[in-house]
Amino acid sequence: QKEVEQDPGPLSVPEGAIVSLNCTYSNSAFQYFMWYRQYSRKGPELLMYTYSSGNKEDGRFTAQVDKSSKYISLFIRDSQPSDSATYLCAMSGTSGTYKYIFGTGTRLKVLA
Amino acid sequence: DTAVSQTPKYLVTQMGNDKSIKCEQNLGHDTMYWYKQDSKKFLKIMFSYNNKELIINETVPNRFSPKSPDKAHLNLHINSLELGDSAVYFCASSLGLAGVSSTDTQYFGPGTRLTVL
Repeated sequence: QKEVEQDPGPLSVPEGAIVSLNCTYSNSAFQYFMWYRQYSRKGPELLMYTYSSGNKEDGRFTAQVDKSSKYISLFIRDSQPSDSATYLCAMSGTSGTYKYIFGTGTRLKVLA
Repeated sequence: DTAVSQTPKYLVTQMGNDKSIKCEQNLGHDTMYWYKQDSKKFLKIMFSYNNKELIINETVPNRFSPKSPDKAHLNLHINSLELGDSAVYFCASSLGLAGVSSTDTQYFGPGTRLTVL
């Protein structure tokens, strides 16, 4: 079993839809949870950063962490064609490992 | 204004050759990383350096050798290139060590697309 699981998609939604992207993980020691967006042929860029459990909102994006269920989510409201990209979750915080563990990414396509 | 830059952007070479990829960051960060992203978009850590000291050396063939001449630079040299080395290689940097505190936010370069023929 991979440490971080993420549905690769692709996920196609109409413009304006609410998008829900999810990751599950197995290591309860993870404390820091990130969402990165990667456009085709570009480097990943940080969207959201959350420490421990709870919600964080930034514009149209909301990140949720449920440590009890080992489940994190990214919600995108009023999705736009420009949101079409691959979304990667990442986690860190296991003592002494000093690295991010990434999910495999979910490819999202928002149709105009 | 580029935060993390990599050269070259594209690299096409023959099997058996030796090549280098360079990375520079102007963010004043102490930690730098090399990642490999395969065709399925899976991003895997290869190496990390903190203040020029090697922190992470994942199970990478010893044909791959990183070098950090100073905190702002981390280069990757690959000997005897193989077909399976074809991938996109990303450099990243962060202020602190990953997983230690919230200063570990990683910023990625644009990637180097390596194709081995």
